[in-house]
Amino acid sequence: SQQGEEDPQALSIQEGENATMNCSYKTSINNLQWYRQNSGRGLVHLILIRSNEREKHSGRLRVTLDTSKKSSSLLITASRAADTASYFCATRPIQGAQKLVFGQGTRLTINP
Amino acid sequence: DGGITQSPKYLFRKEGQNVTLSCEQNLNHDAMYWYRQDPGQGLRLIYYSQIVNDFQKGDIAEGYSVSREKKESFPLTVTSAQKNPTAFYLCASSTDRGYENTEAFFGQGTRLTVV
Repeated sequence: SQQGEEDPQALSIQEGENATMNCSYKTSINNLQWYRQNSGRGLVHLILIRSNEREKHSGRLRVTLDTSKKSSSLLITASRAADTASYFCATRPIQGAQKLVFGQGTRLTINP
Repeated sequence: DGGITQSPKYLFRKEGQNVTLSCEQNLNHDAMYWYRQDPGQGLRLIYYSQIVNDFQKGDIAEGYSVSREKKESFPLTVTSAQKNPTAFYLCASSTDRGYENTEAFFGQGTRLTVV
C-alpha cells in the first residue's frame, strides 16, 4: 500500500520560478524523505525531515512537515532546467519502521 | 568508490523463464530493499532485508524470491509465477534497520522486459 501521495502528479513551470510539491501520508512516521529521479535512473536522496522537525533547508530546497495534517511540502526556489525530474516523498512509518514507503511522485518540468 | 551496483542494466525474459537480478553494495549497509516501478508510477516494495540470512515480504512479493547470504549482496529472482514482470527494478540499501534516521542509496536500476 502506498503511504505517501504526491500532489500534483505533474507540474510544468518556467525557469526561475518556484516549484512546490505536496505529499500526504496515512500513518504516524519516524521521518519523511524526499528523493529525485531523473528519467530511467535510480533515485537520489535530497533531504530528510524528522517527525519532531517542522522545517528544513538545503540549498534551494525547503521542506516542511505538518504531522497533525500528515503532510509535507517540498519547495524548490529559483528553478533551473536541470531540476527537471520526478520527485518522490518516502516515509518511515512508526509501525513497520524497517520499511521505506514511497508515494507516486510528481513529475516536474522546467521550461527554459 | 562506494556505491550500490545493479546488473544487468537491461534484461529480456522469455515467457516461463526465471531470471535473477543482481544487487551488490560496498557501503557496509545492513538493510537492503527491492522495489518495482511501472511507467509513470511510484515505487512498490517487493522484499527487504535488515540483516544477513533474514528478509521480509513487502507489498508485492508474489512471484518474486530473494536471498541474503552475504551482507553486500541481495539478488532478486523473478519467477515464472510473476504474470506481469515487465518493469523497472530498483535496489536500495541503508545503514539502519529502520530505527535510525538515515537515507537510502539506490542503484541505477534494471529494466526487465518479457519477450
